[in-house]
Amino acid sequence: AQSVTQLDSQVPVFEEAPVELRCNYSSSVSVYLFWYVQYPNQGLQLLLKYLSGSTLVKGINGFEAEFNKSQTSFHLRKPSVHISDTAEYFCAVSETSNYQLIWGAGTKLIIKP
Amino acid sequence: SQTIHQWPATLVQPVGSPLSLECTVEGTSNPNLYWYRQAAGRGLQLLFYSVGIGQISSEVPQNLSASRPQDRQFILSSKKLLLSDSGFYLCAWSVQGGGNTIYFGEGSWLTVV
Repeated sequence: AQSVTQLDSQVPVFEEAPVELRCNYSSSVSVYLFWYVQYPNQGLQLLLKYLSGSTLVKGINGFEAEFNKSQTSFHLRKPSVHISDTAEYFCAVSETSNYQLIWGAGTKLIIKP
Repeated sequence: SQTIHQWPATLVQPVGSPLSLECTVEGTSNPNLYWYRQAAGRGLQLLFYSVGIGQISSEVPQNLSASRPQDRQFILSSKKLLLSDSGFYLCAWSVQGGGNTIYFGEGSWLTVV
């Protein structure tokens, strides 16, 4: 993977509304894809990952992501957000032949009451 | 199950003083180990990674160093801290050949004054 782009640095959304956090990558080879969440002053926690198989991946806390190979995207979605989802979300990509992860710059999810 | 711990959680150090951050992983053998840094308002920067005892690769030139004296112990050091070394430091591990999933520690806040 050469680069990862998280298109939005911040996404404000009302509580109980749906949300989509966008992630695009550039690579010409097979990849693994990841979403991590970082709550304030904490380490990163794995939300979900795509290694192979079904392109729709379900993760913890009601999040899911869909791998779209033709569009080189791996957008994260949740149908109804809660105030506790306030955090920064990081997308990461690695080539299957390489253990190194390439990280996006992060997207801050801001939940409005 | 596997766990990762790093310490100290926070520290304030004067410019020019030494640094030692420690990280240990339990419940697995021969992991890949990583040190990342998050500067304020910035994404993740890989500093060092290790695939085995005594095997350290540096990603960026700087006044930091890393050592792996034991299979599951990873240490980040500096002889003389700079103001620019302030940030949030994260230790992480992954299974060798395990689909590149990285698991993070709780993080260490370093403020250089």
